[in-house]
Amino acid sequence: GQNIDQPTEMTATEGAIVQINCTYQTSGFNGLFWYQQHAGEAPTFLSYNVLDGLEEKGRFSSFLSRSKGYSYLLLKELQMKDSASYLCAVSVNDYKLSFGAGTTVTVRA
Amino acid sequence: GAVVSQHPSRVICKSGTSVKIECRSLDFQATTMFWYRQFPKQSLMLMATSNEGSKATYEQGVEKDKFLINHASLTLSTLTVTSAHPEDSSFYICSARVVPAVGDSYNEQFFGPGTRLTVL
Repeated sequence: GQNIDQPTEMTATEGAIVQINCTYQTSGFNGLFWYQQHAGEAPTFLSYNVLDGLEEKGRFSSFLSRSKGYSYLLLKELQMKDSASYLCAVSVNDYKLSFGAGTTVTVRA
Repeated sequence: GAVVSQHPSRVICKSGTSVKIECRSLDFQATTMFWYRQFPKQSLMLMATSNEGSKATYEQGVEKDKFLINHASLTLSTLTVTSAHPEDSSFYICSARVVPAVGDSYNEQFFGPGTRLTVL
């Protein structure tokens, strides 16, 4: 089976930075995705990493280390609208996505 | 990005009835679609992989006779929950895989808005 771990909850202040870690042990690896999901809505794509290193996209950055089975999502200049669940998902060899349980981020004023 | 729609967005039904959920890719062709189920405060659990023109592949523990999947065209997959019971109440989400270009292994899935099923 697939094992993808991420913290359950994180809280941060508006304007601050939060880092969400994800570790994985999967039967195959064809890339790692981060999704944002607001309550009652479908996930929306944030980032994709397949090679080691940092991918930056505006206020969001994602890092991958394949040798360590580790990724993080960095959210900068937090806004209230960033309060959501953040899902780490690994694409395994047959192009299926295996999701972590999600990290609920609460942004406080 | 590519758009995926689901219908209905919300359905309430009586125990024992069947419910059909449609998933459409609106502006692209999707040879592969995926069906997920999400219980409150939990992550998405893959139920099955739907391939156009062939039988769906179900994940371990998912009853194929209870969750019927039909991928009749390159833009439509349907999930029918047969003889629904209260424990089937959940948020059902489909996604469609964009076929990568030649030489590109990028594997992005676009998600539909989800269907909230409540079985009384």
